[in-house]
Amino acid sequence: EVQLVGSGGDLVQPGGSLRLSCAASGFTFSDDWMSWVRQAPGKGLEWVASIKKDGSEKRYVDSVRGRFTISRDNAKNSLYLQMNSLRVEDTAVYFCVRGAWLFGDWGQGGLVTVSS
Amino acid sequence: DVVMTQSPLSLSVTLGQPATISCKSSQSLVYSDGNTHLNWFQQRPGQSPRRLIYKVSTRDSGVPDRFSGSGSGTDFTLKISRVEAEDVGVYYCMQAAHWPRTFGQGTKVEIK
Repeated sequence: EVQLVGSGGDLVQPGGSLRLSCAASGFTFSDDWMSWVRQAPGKGLEWVASIKKDGSEKRYVDSVRGRFTISRDNAKNSLYLQMNSLRVEDTAVYFCVRGAWLFGDWGQGGLVTVSS
Repeated sequence: DVVMTQSPLSLSVTLGQPATISCKSSQSLVYSDGNTHLNWFQQRPGQSPRRLIYKVSTRDSGVPDRFSGSGSGTDFTLKISRVEAEDVGVYYCMQAAHWPRTFGQGTKVEIK
């Protein structure tokens, strides 16, 4: 059974930083692209970033490029999202997702609240 | 960016009746591998999204066969042949043929 267990969500002040983690199991992690998708409170889904199997290619939505960094550690079966210069509008539940074309498996999501 | 436009944005359906959600993309979703990367997701209240359909019409394992996807190019449809109480939630289409990946606004399905 595929499991994606996220951690790291928290309350942070505008301009602050936070690192989200996602522990993957139940599939060969290094065989798949991985993605982050977020959902602001009461709003729809927004793709944030994706990373290639070996980490050699990364893609970002324009609103986070230069502030967020997606990374992975295939030895630890883990996905990360380093978020810097956080803004109030980054407040959302962040989902770890398997894939970048099929988006077949989703984690439970972690809430990031950016507020003073 | 590819704009995904869903309609309607809300749907009130009698149990046992059909429901249809439309999704239109601003560009063709045919990818270089020849596949059309259009996915449908269901998000029940308080839950993570769950994929129902991928590549336009392939239903995920465990998804009831009352759900079906169709379409091509830029016009796509999700149909629920007979709505059940467990189908309440928000449905999203998403394109994965172009960067950035983009979602439709979501269609809220409720029981009348």
